[in-house]
Amino acid sequence: QITLKESGPTLVKPTQTLTLTCTFSGFSLSTSGVGVGWIRQPPGKALEWLALIYWNDDKRYSPSLKSRLTITKDTSKNQVVLTMTNMDPVDTATYYCAHLYSSSWYYWGQGTLVTVSS
Amino acid sequence: NFMLTQPHSVSESPGKTVTISCTRSSGSIASNYVQWYQQRPGSSPTTVIYEDNQRPSGVPDRFSGSIDSSSNSASLTISGLKTEDEADYYCQSYDSSNQVFGGGTKLTVL
Repeated sequence: QITLKESGPTLVKPTQTLTLTCTFSGFSLSTSGVGVGWIRQPPGKALEWLALIYWNDDKRYSPSLKSRLTITKDTSKNQVVLTMTNMDPVDTATYYCAHLYSSSWYYWGQGTLVTVSS
Repeated sequence: NFMLTQPHSVSESPGKTVTISCTRSSGSIASNYVQWYQQRPGSSPTTVIYEDNQRPSGVPDRFSGSIDSSSNSASLTISGLKTEDEADYYCQSYDSSNQVFGGGTKLTVL
């Protein structure tokens, strides 16, 4: 059974750096073809892909946010970490981590709401 | 980069059939698989169609997906609508560098 769970602060101040951790089970991020990524959803708005890391440490970022994002993995801990710098109120959203296999984001975490406010 | 454009909302009556479109702005819709996700209020998205037209186990066969190269679009069709199908639906595809989600379609079953 594959599960993913996001953790991190629920409130950050403008200009601060957000660090989110995705802890997963039921699969290994060292298995060929597997990826884990982050997708966010502002309240009442659409899903937006942020970043993706593959089993071979290949990384992909949303072009519009690339300068602010870093994604890393710790295979031994079954964790993926996303950092986003220079947070702004427009970054207020539910942040999901999800498992990518082949082309589909098949398994999703429950999401964590991050509010950016002073 | 490309975009995926969906209608903002659709509505239909129970028992009817509805189709939600997803148009790719550049590049061929057939060049990369399209997925469809259902999201009910307060819940995470779940996959209802993957690889253009494949249904995960547990998704009823009332859900089907297709692509149309002539219009460069993908479609999600839900037949025999039930009130439980009321949700937001997102298409998703990718290229060599990016993952892209459509803007979502709110399906109302009334």
